[in-house]
Amino acid sequence: QSALTQPASVSGSPGQSITISCTGTSSDVGGYNYVSWYQQHPGKAPKLMIYEVSNRPSGVSNRFSGSKSGNTASLTISGLQAEDEADYYCSSYTISSTPVVFGGGTKLTVL
Amino acid sequence: EVQLVESGGVVVQPGGSLRLSCAASGFTFDDYAMHWVRQAPGKGLEWVSLISWDGDSPYYADSVKGRFTISRDNSKNSLYLQMNSLRAEDTAFYYCAKPGRDGYDYYFDYWGQGTLVTVSS
Repeated sequence: QSALTQPASVSGSPGQSITISCTGTSSDVGGYNYVSWYQQHPGKAPKLMIYEVSNRPSGVSNRFSGSKSGNTASLTISGLQAEDEADYYCSSYTISSTPVVFGGGTKLTVL
Repeated sequence: EVQLVESGGVVVQPGGSLRLSCAASGFTFDDYAMHWVRQAPGKGLEWVSLISWDGDSPYYADSVKGRFTISRDNSKNSLYLQMNSLRAEDTAFYYCAKPGRDGYDYYFDYWGQGTLVTVSS
C-alpha cells in the first residue's frame, strides 16, 4: 500500500488536458511544499517533471503544470501528445519514519 | 553532464548478500546527500535509503532497516548499498538518485539507469 494515493489510470485524446491527483495527509503533501512529479516511459528511468509543487525543471515543456490544495496535489498536462503516454508518479517529503514517499503511479494513455 | 551509473545487480538466493555501486560524475558529489530508490518489475517506485553528504547520517525505509546499509566514498565519487538477508520481495530495479539541490533535498533531478537485483532460488 503506497503512502500517497493516485488513480491507477487516466486517459485523454491528443490536444486535450488531463489532471492526475495525488492525495496524502497533513504529514506529507498537505504539510509541506515538497511535492514532485516524475514521468517514466517503459524500460526507462524516471524523469523529473515538477518539483516543489509547481516548479518546472529546465527543458520540461510548459504543457506540464503542478498545483496543490490541502492534502491533494495535482499534475495537469495540457495539449496532450502521443509522447506523453507514460507512467506518472508523485512524491512528497514526509515527517513519518522515512523522509520520502511515492504514490502508486498513474498510467496515462493517449487515445 | 551529470551521470549516475549503477552496477552490481545479479541473481542471488534468498538469504544472500549483495553490494550495489553507483558511480557519479558531472557534479560535486560531496555537496549532495544521495538516495537509493527501487522498483519491483511492473510495480511502483519505493524509496529505500538516504545518506548525508558526509556519510554520517543514513536513513532507511522500514522494509530494509537492519538488512541494508548505505555508504559512500567521496574520494571515488561513489555510492553503495550493502544488501544482506535478501528476500524475494527485494527483487527490483535499484536506482541511485541525486537530489535537486545540495545538502538535503527531497526531489530527484537525475537518476541512474538502474540495476536489477533478482532474489530467487
